[in-house]
Parts: sequence; C-alpha cells; structure tokens
Amino acid sequence: QVQLLQSGAEVKKPGSSVKVSCKVSGGTFNNYGISWVRQAPGQGLEWMGGIIPTFGTAKYAQKFQDRVTITADESASTAYMEIFSLGSEDTAVYYCAKSYTSGLYACDYWGQGTLVTVSS
Amino acid sequence: ELVLTQSPGALSLSPGERATLSCRASQSVNSNYLAWYQQKPGQAPRLFIYGTSGRAGGIPDRFSGSGSGTDFTLTISRLEPEDFAVYYCQQYGTSLSNTFGQGTKLEIK
Repeated sequence: QVQLLQSGAEVKKPGSSVKVSCKVSGGTFNNYGISWVRQAPGQGLEWMGGIIPTFGTAKYAQKFQDRVTITADESASTAYMEIFSLGSEDTAVYYCAKSYTSGLYACDYWGQGTLVTVSS
Repeated sequence: ELVLTQSPGALSLSPGERATLSCRASQSVNSNYLAWYQQKPGQAPRLFIYGTSGRAGGIPDRFSGSGSGTDFTLTISRLEPEDFAVYYCQQYGTSLSNTFGQGTKLEIK
C-alpha cells in the first residue's frame, strides 16, 4: 500500500521560509513524479510544481518559479518543497502527491497535507 | 498560460439525478492529459478520471469522462449521497503547467 507521509504543521513569520517533507513508502519512488499542490483556506487547488526523483530536475508553475525549490532524496524516498519569502497569502494546506505512472502526471496517492500558517 | 474554467461553479441536484460538469481550456489540451478529482471537506483530493475517460482504481462506473480539444465533461449518471463534493479538472504532463480548474461544488438539493 503506497503511503505519503508529510511533515507536521508549521507556523512561520512573514519573510521567512518553510521546508515541507514527503516520505513515500510502499511503492516505487524514483520514476514516478511527485507534485506539490496547495490549497488556501476555502479556496481551490493550486499546482506549484513537481519532480521526477530519478531525473532530479524540478518543474514549476510560473507563479512559483522564483520562490519555491523542490528536491528529492532517492535514498530516503523523500521529496521536499521549500518556499521562501513567506507572506500571509502563503497560509495554506500543502499536499504532496504521487503520479499514477512514470512522469509528472495525474496523482493517485496523496499525502495528508501540511498546514503552513504565516503570521506575525 | 493555460487556464481551465469549470462550470457551473455550483450545482444543486438530488440523489438519483444526472450531473454534468464542464471544464473548458483556454487552448487545446491533449486528451491523454486531462484528469478529474473529487475532494470532500478536510480530505485530500482523490483521482477519479485520468486521460479524459480512464477511471482510476475503485471508481464506480456511474462516473464517466469525455471530451477533446478545449471542452471536457465529467458525467455522473445517477448521483449517490457520497458523490456530493467538489470536483476539479486538471491538465498535466505536458510542457504547460499542471493546471487545475477552480472547481465545481456539487450540492444536495
């Protein structure tokens, strides 16, 4: 059974950064894309970017190109998403999700979500 | 930048009725790369449809997807109480960003 286990909730000050982890167990990690998706309170889903661990190069939505870094550690079957220069608009639940096949595709397994609250 | 527009924003129907949800793209989308998700309050999204019409594992056959080009549809043939949720379409897997639509909230009438 594939499981994605994310790190716990964070409270951050404006201007700081946060790094969220996503450990994948029970399935193949290296060839399947890991996407990061966020959801602000009461809002819809927003794709931030993703990575195929075996290739190592991340792809980003234009909006997050300059402020987000997505990485993966194959040896630990863990993906990471770091977002810099946090503002109140970054308060959201952040999900990692695993593609249903090789590549950065639609996602059939999701983490439980990590709430990041940005507040002074 | 690709934009996916879902309509209606909200849909009120009764159990047993048929639901038709629309997803329109601002430019042509490869039909191999269009998905639908269901999300219930407090839960992560769940993949329902991939590749426009392929049902993900465990998804009942009352759910069907169709479309091509810029117009895609999710149809629920006969609504069950557990189907009332928010549905999102997503384009993925190309040089474009893996964009989501804004969602359609399916409510019990």
